[in-house]
Amino acid sequence: GENVEQHPSTLSVQEGDSAVIKCTYSDSASNYFPWYKQELGKRPQLIIDIRSNVGEKKDQRIAVTLNKTAKHFSLHITETQPEDSAVYFCAALTSVGNTPLVFGKGTRLSVIA
Amino acid sequence: EPEVTQTPSHQVTQMGQEVILRCVPISNHLYFYWYRQILGQKVEFLVSFYNNEISEKSEIFDDQFSVERPDGSNFTLKIRSTKLEDSAMYFCASRRANQPQHFGDGTRLSIL
Repeated sequence: GENVEQHPSTLSVQEGDSAVIKCTYSDSASNYFPWYKQELGKRPQLIIDIRSNVGEKKDQRIAVTLNKTAKHFSLHITETQPEDSAVYFCAALTSVGNTPLVFGKGTRLSVIA
Repeated sequence: EPEVTQTPSHQVTQMGQEVILRCVPISNHLYFYWYRQILGQKVEFLVSFYNNEISEKSEIFDDQFSVERPDGSNFTLKIRSTKLEDSAMYFCASRRANQPQHFGDGTRLSIL
Protein backbone atom coordinates (compact mmCIF):
# COMPACT_ATOMS: atom_id res chain seq x y z
CA GLY A 1 0.00 0.00 0.00
CA GLU A 2 0.86 3.66 -0.06
CA ASN A 3 3.47 5.08 2.31
CA VAL A 4 3.98 8.80 2.79
CA GLU A 5 7.13 10.20 4.38
CA GLN A 6 7.21 13.82 5.58
CA HIS A 7 10.12 16.06 6.56
CA PRO A 8 11.01 17.85 8.70
CA SER A 9 9.08 16.84 11.80
CA THR A 10 9.55 20.30 13.31
CA LEU A 11 10.35 23.60 11.67
CA SER A 12 10.93 27.02 13.21
CA VAL A 13 11.10 30.13 11.08
CA GLN A 14 11.19 33.85 11.73
CA GLU A 15 8.08 35.80 10.87
CA GLY A 16 8.27 36.89 7.26
CA ASP A 17 10.56 34.07 6.18
CA SER A 18 9.51 31.16 3.97
CA ALA A 19 8.78 27.62 5.12
CA VAL A 20 9.10 24.49 3.02
CA ILE A 21 7.77 21.06 3.97
CA LYS A 22 8.54 18.02 1.82
CA CYS A 23 6.78 14.71 1.33
CA THR A 24 7.51 11.59 -0.67
CA TYR A 25 5.09 8.85 -1.62
CA SER A 26 5.59 5.28 -2.73
CA ASP A 27 2.59 4.36 -4.88
CA SER A 28 2.92 5.65 -8.43
CA ALA A 29 -0.87 5.22 -8.79
CA SER A 30 -1.47 8.04 -6.29
CA ASN A 31 -2.85 11.02 -8.12
CA TYR A 32 -4.21 13.43 -5.52
CA PHE A 33 -2.13 15.21 -2.89
CA PRO A 34 -3.81 17.44 -0.30
CA TRP A 35 -2.21 19.40 2.50
CA TYR A 36 -3.97 19.84 5.83
CA LYS A 37 -3.32 22.34 8.61
CA GLN A 38 -4.21 21.26 12.13
CA GLU A 39 -4.23 23.65 15.05
CA LEU A 40 -4.03 22.23 18.54
CA GLY A 41 -7.12 20.21 19.41
CA LYS A 42 -8.88 21.04 16.16
CA ARG A 43 -9.79 19.29 12.93
CA PRO A 44 -7.41 18.95 9.99
CA GLN A 45 -8.34 21.68 7.52
CA LEU A 46 -7.59 21.44 3.85
CA ILE A 47 -5.40 24.36 2.80
CA ILE A 48 -4.35 23.37 -0.71
CA ASP A 49 -4.32 20.31 -2.93
CA ILE A 50 -2.83 19.25 -6.22
CA ARG A 51 -3.67 16.57 -8.75
CA SER A 52 -1.13 14.60 -10.71
CA ASN A 53 -1.85 16.34 -13.99
CA VAL A 54 -0.50 19.61 -12.56
CA GLY A 55 3.06 20.44 -11.50
CA GLU A 56 2.40 23.47 -9.34
CA LYS A 57 -0.50 25.27 -7.72
CA LYS A 58 -0.54 28.53 -5.82
CA ASP A 59 -3.05 30.20 -3.52
CA GLN A 60 -1.87 33.54 -2.16
CA ARG A 61 1.05 32.77 0.22
CA ILE A 62 0.76 29.00 -0.15
CA ALA A 63 2.03 26.92 -3.04
CA VAL A 64 2.44 23.23 -3.68
CA THR A 65 4.75 21.58 -6.19
CA LEU A 66 4.61 18.00 -7.44
CA ASN A 67 7.33 15.94 -9.09
CA LYS A 68 5.68 12.72 -10.29
CA THR A 69 8.89 11.21 -11.56
CA ALA A 70 10.60 11.55 -8.21
CA LYS A 71 7.34 10.93 -6.32
CA HIS A 72 7.64 13.93 -4.09
CA PHE A 73 5.61 17.03 -3.39
CA SER A 74 6.26 20.09 -1.31
CA LEU A 75 4.37 22.82 0.51
CA HIS A 76 5.77 26.34 0.36
CA ILE A 77 4.55 29.10 2.65
CA THR A 78 5.91 32.57 1.97
CA GLU A 79 5.86 35.63 4.25
CA THR A 80 5.02 33.47 7.24
CA GLN A 81 2.89 34.89 10.04
CA PRO A 82 2.44 33.74 13.66
CA GLU A 83 -1.01 32.39 12.77
CA ASP A 84 0.64 29.96 10.35
CA SER A 85 1.95 28.10 13.41
CA ALA A 86 0.31 24.66 13.41
CA VAL A 87 0.94 21.06 12.44
CA TYR A 88 0.86 20.47 8.71
CA PHE A 89 0.08 17.08 7.22
CA CYS A 90 0.60 15.97 3.66
CA ALA A 91 -1.45 13.11 2.27
CA ALA A 92 -1.73 11.01 -0.85
CA LEU A 93 -4.66 9.27 -2.45
CA THR A 94 -5.43 7.09 -5.42
CA SER A 95 -8.69 8.37 -6.81
CA VAL A 96 -10.05 4.95 -7.61
CA GLY A 97 -13.04 3.73 -5.68
CA ASN A 98 -13.26 4.91 -2.09
CA THR A 99 -9.60 4.67 -1.11
CA PRO A 100 -8.58 6.59 2.00
CA LEU A 101 -6.08 9.36 2.48
CA VAL A 102 -2.67 8.19 3.63
CA PHE A 103 -1.11 10.86 5.81
CA GLY A 104 2.45 11.79 6.55
CA LYS A 105 3.54 12.09 10.16
CA GLY A 106 3.15 15.84 10.22
CA THR A 107 5.39 18.89 10.57
CA ARG A 108 5.05 21.19 13.53
CA LEU A 109 5.67 24.69 12.19
CA SER A 110 6.47 27.47 14.62
CA VAL A 111 6.60 31.02 13.32
CA ILE A 112 8.52 33.23 15.69
CA ALA A 113 7.48 36.87 15.87
CA GLU B 1 -20.39 26.67 4.66
CA PRO B 2 -21.76 23.22 5.61
CA GLU B 3 -19.66 21.21 8.03
CA VAL B 4 -19.27 17.65 9.22
CA THR B 5 -20.51 17.54 12.81
CA GLN B 6 -19.45 15.04 15.44
CA THR B 7 -20.83 14.23 18.87
CA PRO B 8 -19.84 14.05 21.60
CA SER B 9 -16.78 16.28 21.59
CA HIS B 10 -15.31 14.30 24.49
CA GLN B 11 -16.23 10.81 25.67
CA VAL B 12 -14.83 9.21 28.81
CA THR B 13 -15.48 5.48 29.14
CA GLN B 14 -14.37 2.62 31.35
CA MET B 15 -12.25 -0.06 29.71
CA GLY B 16 -14.41 -2.89 28.41
CA GLN B 17 -17.44 -0.70 27.84
CA GLU B 18 -19.06 -0.07 24.49
CA VAL B 19 -18.91 3.38 22.96
CA ILE B 20 -20.70 4.91 19.98
CA LEU B 21 -19.30 7.95 18.22
CA ARG B 22 -21.67 9.90 16.04
CA CYS B 23 -21.16 11.88 12.89
CA VAL B 24 -23.45 13.85 10.62
CA PRO B 25 -21.73 14.14 7.23
CA ILE B 26 -22.39 17.06 4.90
CA SER B 27 -25.80 16.44 3.38
CA ASN B 28 -24.95 15.87 -0.28
CA HIS B 29 -21.83 13.82 0.41
CA LEU B 30 -21.83 10.13 -0.42
CA TYR B 31 -18.43 8.93 0.77
CA PHE B 32 -17.73 8.62 4.48
CA TYR B 33 -14.65 7.87 6.53
CA TRP B 34 -13.45 7.36 10.06
CA TYR B 35 -9.89 8.20 11.03
CA ARG B 36 -8.18 8.27 14.39
CA GLN B 37 -5.27 10.26 15.76
CA ILE B 38 -3.41 9.18 18.85
CA LEU B 39 -2.06 12.20 20.71
CA GLY B 40 0.94 13.68 18.94
CA GLN B 41 0.83 11.21 16.06
CA LYS B 42 -0.41 11.19 12.51
CA VAL B 43 -3.96 10.68 11.33
CA GLU B 44 -4.64 7.00 10.63
CA PHE B 45 -7.37 5.55 8.45
CA LEU B 46 -9.91 3.21 10.01
CA VAL B 47 -12.71 2.61 7.53
CA SER B 48 -14.44 4.02 4.46
CA PHE B 49 -18.10 3.64 3.60
CA TYR B 50 -20.10 4.11 0.44
CA ASN B 51 -23.51 2.97 -0.76
CA ASN B 52 -24.38 1.51 2.64
CA GLU B 53 -21.40 -0.74 2.87
CA ILE B 54 -17.77 -0.72 3.91
CA SER B 55 -15.45 0.04 1.00
CA GLU B 56 -12.12 -0.44 2.75
CA LYS B 57 -10.86 -0.97 6.27
CA SER B 58 -7.45 -0.86 7.86
CA GLU B 59 -5.88 -3.48 10.11
CA ILE B 60 -6.79 -1.24 13.05
CA PHE B 61 -10.47 -1.81 12.26
CA ASP B 62 -10.80 -5.26 13.83
CA ASP B 63 -13.88 -7.13 15.03
CA GLN B 64 -14.32 -4.72 17.93
CA PHE B 65 -15.21 -1.94 15.51
CA SER B 66 -18.32 -1.49 13.42
CA VAL B 67 -19.91 1.31 11.43
CA GLU B 68 -23.48 2.02 10.60
CA ARG B 69 -25.56 4.52 8.73
CA PRO B 70 -28.80 4.03 10.63
CA ASP B 71 -30.72 6.75 8.79
CA GLY B 72 -30.22 9.27 6.02
CA SER B 73 -28.02 11.58 8.06
CA ASN B 74 -26.03 9.82 10.78
CA PHE B 75 -22.85 7.77 10.41
CA THR B 76 -21.72 6.00 13.58
CA LEU B 77 -18.61 4.22 14.77
CA LYS B 78 -19.06 1.64 17.51
CA ILE B 79 -16.30 0.13 19.58
CA ARG B 80 -17.69 -2.93 21.33
CA SER B 81 -15.26 -3.49 24.18
CA THR B 82 -12.91 -0.57 24.56
CA LYS B 83 -9.23 -0.94 25.40
CA LEU B 84 -6.81 1.59 26.84
CA GLU B 85 -5.09 1.87 23.46
CA ASP B 86 -8.35 3.01 21.87
CA SER B 87 -7.83 6.38 23.54
CA ALA B 88 -7.44 8.85 20.68
CA MET B 89 -9.12 11.58 18.71
CA TYR B 90 -11.59 10.12 16.23
CA PHE B 91 -12.37 12.11 13.11
CA CYS B 92 -15.22 11.58 10.72
CA ALA B 93 -14.84 12.84 7.15
CA SER B 94 -17.07 13.00 4.12
CA ARG B 95 -16.86 14.05 0.50
CA ARG B 96 -18.65 14.20 -2.81
CA ALA B 97 -17.37 12.35 -5.86
CA ASN B 98 -13.99 13.69 -7.02
CA GLN B 99 -13.93 16.29 -4.27
CA PRO B 100 -11.70 16.66 -1.18
CA GLN B 101 -12.55 15.13 2.16
CA HIS B 102 -13.93 17.43 4.83
CA PHE B 103 -13.23 16.58 8.44
CA GLY B 104 -15.37 17.04 11.53
CA ASP B 105 -14.04 18.53 14.76
CA GLY B 106 -13.45 15.07 16.19
CA THR B 107 -14.39 13.19 19.33
CA ARG B 108 -11.76 12.84 21.98
CA LEU B 109 -12.15 9.33 23.42
CA SER B 110 -10.55 8.67 26.79
CA ILE B 111 -10.54 5.11 28.12
CA LEU B 112 -9.96 4.72 31.84
